[in-house]
Amino acid sequence: AQTVTQSQPEMSVQEAETVTLSCTYDTSESDYYLFWYKQPPSRQMILVIRQEAYKQQNATENRFSVNFQKAAKSFSLKISDSQLGDAAMYFCAFNYGAGSYQLTFGKGTKLSVIP
Amino acid sequence: SAVISQKPSRDICQRGTSLTIQCQVDSQVTMMFWYRQQPGQSLTLIATANQGSEATYESGFVIDKFPISRPNLTFSTLTVSNMSPEDSSIYLCSGGGLYGYTFGSGTRLTVV
Repeated sequence: AQTVTQSQPEMSVQEAETVTLSCTYDTSESDYYLFWYKQPPSRQMILVIRQEAYKQQNATENRFSVNFQKAAKSFSLKISDSQLGDAAMYFCAFNYGAGSYQLTFGKGTKLSVIP
Repeated sequence: SAVISQKPSRDICQRGTSLTIQCQVDSQVTMMFWYRQQPGQSLTLIATANQGSEATYESGFVIDKFPISRPNLTFSTLTVSNMSPEDSSIYLCSGGGLYGYTFGSGTRLTVV
């Protein structure tokens, strides 16, 4: 079974600084997909970034980038130039493809941004 | 990516009653999913809603308690039946595929 571990229940960052959220996963599959979702207090789950395991290049979306280490089964999220609007719960999620569309979520990291 | 409208956004219900939550997607999606989330916690998958067939339920969730409808590729409902205070939670629907899963805005259910 696939598992996703987020070892940091809470993190904080000063506004305009950089923060990295950790995520590790366990799978025997070789082809899969990884996601980071943001959930602000509004409850809306927002896709932040997506990574295909077969791609060696790390995904980036504006201020958000990942450090994908396939051998180490690590998928960390870096937020640069943090903004107050980045404060939210962040969930790492995994899908192993192969006809399965289910997402396996980590327990989440609550990010606070300090003005 | 698809946009999902979920309603109601919140409700307070009496124990023993049932509540049906609806999700409407603005485009066709192959798979839809229903999750439960306690405040501050992660998402727990209840079931996968398949069009034209019965939903597939995860361990600990049964059809009699959480019947699901998926009449077409853009709509699904989840009913929480014979509610008890333990059913108080946030319920979210999701749809899409490997290019990204879109979520509804959630239904906050309180059972009194």
